[in-house]
Amino acid sequence: GENVEQHPSTLSVQEGDSAVIKCTYSDSASNYFPWYKQELGKRPQLIIDIRSNVGEKKDQRIAVTLNKTAKHFSLHITETQPEDSAVYFCAEGGSYIPTFGRGTSLIVHP
Amino acid sequence: KAGVTQTPRYLIKTRGQQVTLSCSPISGHRSVSWYQQTPGQGLQFLFEYFSETQRNKGNFPGRFSGRQFSNSRSEMNVSTLELGDSALYLCASSRGGIGTSGRVFTDTQYFGPGTRLTVL
Repeated sequence: GENVEQHPSTLSVQEGDSAVIKCTYSDSASNYFPWYKQELGKRPQLIIDIRSNVGEKKDQRIAVTLNKTAKHFSLHITETQPEDSAVYFCAEGGSYIPTFGRGTSLIVHP
Repeated sequence: KAGVTQTPRYLIKTRGQQVTLSCSPISGHRSVSWYQQTPGQGLQFLFEYFSETQRNKGNFPGRFSGRQFSNSRSEMNVSTLELGDSALYLCASSRGGIGTSGRVFTDTQYFGPGTRLTVL
């Protein structure tokens, strides 16, 4: 993997709203796109991932979409809750280890 | 399975000293990666070890080094500590990313709790 850009750096939403975080990458060989959630003082934990042979994957309130042509992928969180507040990292992988984005701080206001 | 463990969890050192951090991967995982995390800088990749060999290296000075043992446990060392080395150091383990046919793929990484290093 090479560079991966993540936007926005900070996202503030009201409880119940949806949140979308976008990442773009440059390596056309990338084929693995995980998302990690890091709560304050804790380790990053994998919440969802997608491989390049699918365009979308859902797991309850979270989903990831992938557009390989445009080289971007997004994390969608619906019906946000205060416990969704955390830093979210996207990553892209085309080699042994992924390259991480700089993170998005999501704040969900009750 | 037990998760990734790191020791120590907290460390306070002074400038010029050196420090060694330890990481024990998930059983069966052969790859260990190290990251430095500072506020606003995300996860900065240091290096990755696979089967006792450094397979990938990030853009850090030579003061940062590491090694991996035959049981896949890994250590990283920072010599001549600087104030800017204060950070959370995370390790992550994975199976290693090599398929049965020799094809390379990116495997899921699992993070340890980190070592919080403070340099005074």
